[in-house]
Formats: sequence, C-alpha cells, structure tokens
Amino acid sequence: DTAVSQTPKYLVTQMGNDKSIKCEQNLGHDTMYWYKQDSKKFLKIMFSYNNKELIINETVPNRFSPKSPDKAHLNLHINSLELGDSAVYFCASSQDLTPGNTIYFGEGSWLTVV
Amino acid sequence: AQSVSQHNHHVILSEAASLELGCNYSYGGTVNLFWYVQYPGQHLQLLLKYFSGDPLVKGIKGFEAEFIKSKFSFNLRKPSVQWSDTAEYFCAVNPNTNAGKSTFGDGTTLTVKP
Repeated sequence: DTAVSQTPKYLVTQMGNDKSIKCEQNLGHDTMYWYKQDSKKFLKIMFSYNNKELIINETVPNRFSPKSPDKAHLNLHINSLELGDSAVYFCASSQDLTPGNTIYFGEGSWLTVV
Repeated sequence: AQSVSQHNHHVILSEAASLELGCNYSYGGTVNLFWYVQYPGQHLQLLLKYFSGDPLVKGIKGFEAEFIKSKFSFNLRKPSVQWSDTAEYFCAVNPNTNAGKSTFGDGTTLTVKP
C-alpha cells in the first residue's frame, strides 16, 4: 500500500492554465506538506498543514492555494501557471509537528509548463 | 533561518569503495538531523536521523552518520558501497524551535559503478 499518494504523476500544461495536484496519506498522520523541487534538485517547503490548519506558508505566490478537506488529504491548486512553475512537487506527511519526526514523501508530481 | 549545505553534488565510486558525503548546517540552537535517500524512480525515504543521544547514528543498509556539534556537520558514511546504493542523497535539518519546517540540502547524486 502506498503511504503517501499523489496524482497526477506527470502533468504538461500551457501557460495561463489552472491545474490541481491531489494528495492523500493513509498513515493516520496529523501533518501534511507540499515541497517544490526545482531543476537544481533544491527541495523547498511550500506549505504545511496540521489537522487541516495552515501552519507554514513560505513566501509562495498566492496563485498557489492549498486545500485540506480533512487531515488525510492536502491538495494543491495552481492558478495562471507560469513557466517558472515547472518543477517536481512532492506531497509529504509526518505524525505531527514534533521536530524529530520522520517525513514520509509521495512519489512526486512532475509539472511542465509550456 | 537555518540552511543546509551539501558539498558534493555528484560522486562516482566503484563498488566496495568507501563513501563519505558531507553535510553542514547553519543554526545556533538544538537541531534534529536527517539523511533521506531517493532511489531511481522511487520516493524520498528516511535513511537515518539524529535527535539526541549518541552522535553516531546507524541507519538502514549499512549507512551511518556522525553529528559533530562543534563543526555543525552530519556527514554520511558507508564503508563499502554497492551498485544498489546509486541514488540521490539529501541532508535535512529541523530545529527544535521550528516545528514542521525541515530545510533540505540540494542533494548529492551518488553513482556506483559495478
């Protein structure tokens, strides 16, 4: 069973479009995240939710809007896509906000904006 | 804000060679330190972590890392690598005062030649 699953895995779209990436975790964790990995492999946190509440929002353009309908799901919606949004987006979860907790990652969603 | 630096971006070794990947972080307080690995086509997964106690930490598949507080380092080691160790390796730090916010290094690509 996949612990953290995200869809779609690959997404190619045109500039200006709106797209969503869905994420679900079946680990019973309280905390979920979205990370962005750019072409240089730099992995940077975008958002963190704990029990459906936004905890971290890292200077991300407001075209990016996360939504957590329940603590097992954290979806990412992106409006007006730009070329610079092309990246791999990783969903992740951890038991809770305790700093030493392991982060469990999904397999990533490869977004290409053309 | 914390930061993580991985000195080796691409390491190429022959099987049975010894491995050491460097990781330094900048943060003055108490931290939790992690190494994650991403095998080809798979998601990031935890290799090992340090949060307290013995600064020499042992992880899966024969990997270990040593936390040297005075050097702000958490280098990853393996005495004898195998072809199956070919992967991306990411160091991460999560300070005790910054719940839910792990900072990752930009990764090291390890290629092990059979």
